[in-house]
Amino acid sequence: GNSVTQMEGPVTLSEEAFLTINCTYTATGYPSLFWYVQYPGEGLQLLLKATKADDKGSNKGFEATYRKETTSFHLEKGSVQVSDSAVYFCALSDLNTGFQKLVFGTGTRLLVSP
Amino acid sequence: DGGITQSPKYLFRKEGQNVTLSCEQNLNHDAMYWYRQDPGQGLRLIYYSQIVNDFQKGDIAEGYSVSREKKESFPLTVTSAQKNPTAFYLCASSMGLADSTDTQYFGPGTRLTVL
Repeated sequence: GNSVTQMEGPVTLSEEAFLTINCTYTATGYPSLFWYVQYPGEGLQLLLKATKADDKGSNKGFEATYRKETTSFHLEKGSVQVSDSAVYFCALSDLNTGFQKLVFGTGTRLLVSP
Repeated sequence: DGGITQSPKYLFRKEGQNVTLSCEQNLNHDAMYWYRQDPGQGLRLIYYSQIVNDFQKGDIAEGYSVSREKKESFPLTVTSAQKNPTAFYLCASSMGLADSTDTQYFGPGTRLTVL
């Protein structure tokens, strides 16, 4: 079945450091790929998405490129801030079920220190 | 402001009691979803509804029930049959498009604790 694998956290960085959170997926067909962010005690917010191979999603300085050849969708940011501390979830859409079923990774916690 | 609201934010339940979690959206979305989140895990789908008066079981529906009498509302009942109900519950909605462009938006969640 379809699945998403994320790097285990926590990822601990100093402010202004470069961020990469790895995400790889297994899927049949051509799913859309998503990054969601969850701040403490809150629901998930859509961070960015890409719907086809080679698409780049971007938002708030974060970027991720849909790489079909490596089945990856790594999240990057050039300079992190303390306010970026959160849990980041990678997800894919599985349309084989007849509706858009999201398959989530287990999440990666990011901790940014001043 | 358009969005998804969930209430209450925190809920405590005694063993053997049923409780109902509220989810309302004013995004005019056709599809709505309920997920469960446990510490250190991704989200798991409990139920989903693609249209009013219709809903389907997700991956972990046992011990839960839902209704979809109005487009805006999709309440979730956690019954006494759910063996381990303590978790964070998230509601989501989307336009319900049958293609890869559909995007789900999430509410703020309800944390349920069984005492």
